[in-house]
Amino acid sequence: DAGVIQSPRHEVTEMGQEVTLRCKPISGHNSLFWYRQTMMRGLELLIYFNNNVPIDDSGMPEDRFSAKMPNASFSTLKIQPSEPRDSAVYFCASSLRNYGYTFGSGTRLTVV
Amino acid sequence: DQQVKQNSPSLSVQEGRISILNCDYTNSMFDYFLWYKKYPAEGPTFLISISSIKDKNEDGRFTVFLNKSAKHLSLHIVPSQPGDSAVYFCAASDSGGSNYKLTFGKGTLLTVNP
Repeated sequence: DAGVIQSPRHEVTEMGQEVTLRCKPISGHNSLFWYRQTMMRGLELLIYFNNNVPIDDSGMPEDRFSAKMPNASFSTLKIQPSEPRDSAVYFCASSLRNYGYTFGSGTRLTVV
Repeated sequence: DQQVKQNSPSLSVQEGRISILNCDYTNSMFDYFLWYKKYPAEGPTFLISISSIKDKNEDGRFTVFLNKSAKHLSLHIVPSQPGDSAVYFCAASDSGGSNYKLTFGKGTLLTVNP
């Protein structure tokens, strides 16, 4: 298995633009997590899904952030409109009924 | 409100010596703890874990100690190697909830000098 695949690896966008981050979890994993890493706050859980259903989105900072998981093999995290303070590394992770998270390599987002 | 705290942003040790990374937590419901290691431009990878029914778990050069009364855990690396240089994240979970949600600390950057 290729592991958790995230795209793009890097994204530079202008303030106000829409940004979409993508994640393909490991086949067979039933939980998917979106995390954001910043120097100030470390790794923050934004939202997670079990069996494609959003379970807890309390970490989503604002209404500008939304996430979907239309099927077991794909998830998106969208920011609209983006702001400079959204600049961070965004990680997707998946797991199968335990704490054995497998993380993707992350998307480094820069909003200028 | 940080429920998992890593108060040392960085740590530098000499090759061959012991590295001790510390982590404190505030949520008394946490009963499962993990350490993840992260290299630049990569995602975190699982290193070692411990359940609250234990106070020590060992895997090769890595040992995690848990002090439940103090709500404190530590990761010991002996002997430290230059390849251990990375950011180490402490994570915790309440396994009573079945969703395997992890709360992470901010991380500690370990540098092992040759």
